[in-house]
Amino acid sequence: KAGVTQTPRYLIKTRGQQVTLSCSPISGHRSVSWYQQTPGQGLQFLFEYFSETQRNKGNFPGRFSGRQFSNSRSEMNVSTLELGDSALYLCASGPIRSTDTQYFGPGTRLTVL
Amino acid sequence: SQQGEEDPQALSIQEGENATMNCSYKTSINNLQWYRQNSGRGLVHLILIRSNEREKHSGRLRVTLDTSKKSSSLLITASRAADTASYFCATDTGANSKLTFGKGITLSVRP
Repeated sequence: KAGVTQTPRYLIKTRGQQVTLSCSPISGHRSVSWYQQTPGQGLQFLFEYFSETQRNKGNFPGRFSGRQFSNSRSEMNVSTLELGDSALYLCASGPIRSTDTQYFGPGTRLTVL
Repeated sequence: SQQGEEDPQALSIQEGENATMNCSYKTSINNLQWYRQNSGRGLVHLILIRSNEREKHSGRLRVTLDTSKKSSSLLITASRAADTASYFCATDTGANSKLTFGKGITLSVRP
């Protein structure tokens, strides 16, 4: 089976812009979770989608949003980018629950200038 | 505050030695998982141990769980240079149905 893929791998944006990141889960996986990783805060949970519905959400401002499509592919969007949004954004998929074994993609490195 | 906190924050050993990493957590858990991350890349799942299990093995990995002390340890035996990575523990507390990750341990294995 192909692993979790994320596009793009690297992204440079300027403050105030918006960005959309994409994640394709492992075939058959219906749960997709997003994480933000920074040196200061570590890995922080953004949200989880299951069958096109947001099932869980972390403590992030409303500028961070996401969605899931019928084929389980997911996108996350960050609007009005801030310097502090610079991070590695990781997507993980699992068969059913976000608390079972998670399969991570390689991440998207976002740099906000 | 972090649910899982790893100890030590950094570990440097010689190839062939064993590496022991610890994780402590605050509230009761359903399961605890260990992940590995090579520099700037995605995480790779290593092992999952459930709250009713005390020890699990996978190849050169041995994980123990002590729910009375709210702690877990990951032992990597006969380490290799390729084991150089960051290691994270993640806990499922049942609340909010999400994994909470610690800040990680940086392991360096010198050839």
